[in-house]
Amino acid sequence: NAGVMQNPRHLVRRRGQEARLRCSPMKGHSHVYWYRQLPEEGLKFMVYLQKENIIDESGMPKERFSAEFPKEGPSILRIQQVVRGDSAAYFCASSRGQPSYNEQFFGPGTRLTVL
Amino acid sequence: GESVGLHLPTLSVQEGDNSIINCAYSNSASDYFIWYKQESGKGPQFIIDIRSNMDKRQGQRVTVLLNKTVKHLSLQIAATQPGDSAVYFCAETDTTDSWGKLQFGAGTQVVVTP
Repeated sequence: NAGVMQNPRHLVRRRGQEARLRCSPMKGHSHVYWYRQLPEEGLKFMVYLQKENIIDESGMPKERFSAEFPKEGPSILRIQQVVRGDSAAYFCASSRGQPSYNEQFFGPGTRLTVL
Repeated sequence: GESVGLHLPTLSVQEGDNSIINCAYSNSASDYFIWYKQESGKGPQFIIDIRSNMDKRQGQRVTVLLNKTVKHLSLQIAATQPGDSAVYFCAETDTTDSWGKLQFGAGTQVVVTP
């Protein structure tokens, strides 16, 4: 049973470039969450998606960041025109989404470095 | 704003001793709490959870205690082992609101010494 998969594991971008981070949820999971972690800090919620729907994007910066979870394929977190402050670890989690059971399983993360 | 926080940033524990990690939360509406363990370079790993209708829950070598009166959560690890060295996060959510949104504390680094 494969866990949550994220790729790439490490991504280096220059300022102004675009970053695309991918997340494949666990088998049977239809809910995906993205979190950002700065060094020596806790994870900060960004966005919660179901297939083809954004449920909660209250943690997403208003500009340059977008997320999608298409009917087919992985969830994508896209950061346009990256800046140095975007350097962080980005974690994806997935769950079955049952309202009474909320366990989220995390992927290994993508570490983004902006030069 | 409301947040989840931890009292101690680093906890040094001798192998074989018990560890206690504390967490304070301020959102009185939170009704679901989780402890995660994060090893260097890895994603958070679920340890144990507890709902607000409980005050104690036990797992294998771990116990979570919830005190809703003072909004306090703790994780107890029995007979701490070198493999327990990691950063531990508490997380909370209000499942009646956006139950997919976990709020994490800042984390406690646990260092197990021989």
